[in-house]
Amino acid sequence: DAGVIQSPRHEVTEMGQEVTLRCKPISGHNSLFWYRQTMMRGLELLIYFNNNVPIDDSGMPEDRFSAKMPNASFSTLKIQPSEPRDSAVYFCASSLTLNQPQHFGDGTRLSIL
Amino acid sequence: DQQVKQNSPSLSVQEGRISILNCDYTNSMFDYFLWYKKYPAEGPTFLISISSIKDKNEDGRFTVFLNKSAKHLSLHIVPSQPGDSAVYFCAATGGGNKLTFGTGTQLKVEL
Repeated sequence: DAGVIQSPRHEVTEMGQEVTLRCKPISGHNSLFWYRQTMMRGLELLIYFNNNVPIDDSGMPEDRFSAKMPNASFSTLKIQPSEPRDSAVYFCASSLTLNQPQHFGDGTRLSIL
Repeated sequence: DQQVKQNSPSLSVQEGRISILNCDYTNSMFDYFLWYKKYPAEGPTFLISISSIKDKNEDGRFTVFLNKSAKHLSLHIVPSQPGDSAVYFCAATGGGNKLTFGTGTQLKVEL
């Protein structure tokens, strides 16, 4: 079975550019989560969806961040405009239900120059 | 407000000895606890969990202990192996809500 698939694995771009991160959850999983990992804060939950509906986006740092889940098999996290402080590893995870163990993708390492 | 706390950012243990990773929580609504393991350049992977109706759960070399009165849980790895070197995240949930993660502990198992 394929796990959670994230793309790209690495992204390097200049400040001010739009960045789009992509995620394909495990088939049949109803919940999808976007996390950001930094040294200072560890794993921060940015936003999560249940049955394609955003439930809680209180972790999204600013209006520059937005996330969508147009269908059960795809989600995007967009940063526009990007800033150097957005540099981090971004993980997507999915689970059968909200409180079941989450399965993580391998992350996107984002560097904003 | 950090509801799940891992106060030790790093831990170093000799191969063959016991590794003990600790986690404290503040939310009394939490009733299900999980440990994740993360290698560099990979996503976290689920390791072991425990429900609040138990105080111990064992899976091979890994045992999780839960002390509800102290709002404390720990992960024991016996014997520790070099392949166990990774970052370990504690997570908690309750009331059907999302998981809340701690900040992680970097375990290094030395030869």
